[in-house]
Amino acid sequence: KQEVTQIPAALSVPEGENLVLNCSFTDSAIYNLQWFRQDPGKGLTSLLLIQSSQREQTSGRLNASLDKSSGRSTLYIAASQPGDSATYLCAVSSGGSEKLVFGKGTKLTVNP
Amino acid sequence: DAGVIQSPRHEVTEMGQEVTLRCKPISGHDYLFWYRQTMMRGLELLIYFNNNVPIDDSGMPEDRFSAKMPNASFSTLKIQPSEPRDSAVYFCASSPYGSPSSYEQYFGPGTRLTVT
Repeated sequence: KQEVTQIPAALSVPEGENLVLNCSFTDSAIYNLQWFRQDPGKGLTSLLLIQSSQREQTSGRLNASLDKSSGRSTLYIAASQPGDSATYLCAVSSGGSEKLVFGKGTKLTVNP
Repeated sequence: DAGVIQSPRHEVTEMGQEVTLRCKPISGHDYLFWYRQTMMRGLELLIYFNNNVPIDDSGMPEDRFSAKMPNASFSTLKIQPSEPRDSAVYFCASSPYGSPSSYEQYFGPGTRLTVT
C-alpha cells in the first residue's frame, strides 16, 4: 500500500528566504507526482505535475524534483513571500493511474 | 470555465439525518473523484468515476455512504444516516482524459460537513 510522508509538518521562515519542502513515498511504481497548495478553508490548487519519466518541473519561483528510485520529491520555493503562506500537499498516482495518494501536508508560514 | 462546483459549501445537520453533497465537474472531464479531508487522516479518496461509471469505491467507509453520477455534469455523495464522525471537508475533483502519466486533478472548493 502506497504511503506518502511530508516533512516537516510545519515550517516558519522570514520573507525572502529560499526553502525546500520534502515528500517521500514508499512504492516507486508511480505514474506521476503532483504538488498542491491549499489555503485555509479553500480547495486545492495544482502547482506542478511531474510525470514519472521526468526529473523536475518549474513554474515561476517553484521547482519540483522527482527521484523515483529513492521515493523522494522536493518542492523548492525561491525568494519566499508572505503570499506563499499555505499548506503544501504532495500526492502520487498509485494503484490505478488515476488514483492519488496524498501526504498530510506541510504548513508554511512566511513572515514579513 | 467556472472550475469544479460544489454545493452546499457548508452543511450542519443532526446525527441520523440524510446528507447529500453535490458536484459539477469541469465540462469535458472524463474522471470525477470524491475525497474526504480530516485532521487525523488527511485527504482520502472515497470513490471515483470514469465516464459516469464507478471504477473504484474501495475508499467508501461503509454502507451509509453512496455516490452516483447520473450524467457527465453532475454527481452526488449521500450519507444516510449521518454520524458525528462523518464531520469533515468533502472535496470533489475532476480530471481530463489523457496519457496515464499526465492526469492532473482539479479540485472544487469543498463542502464542510458538521454532524452534531
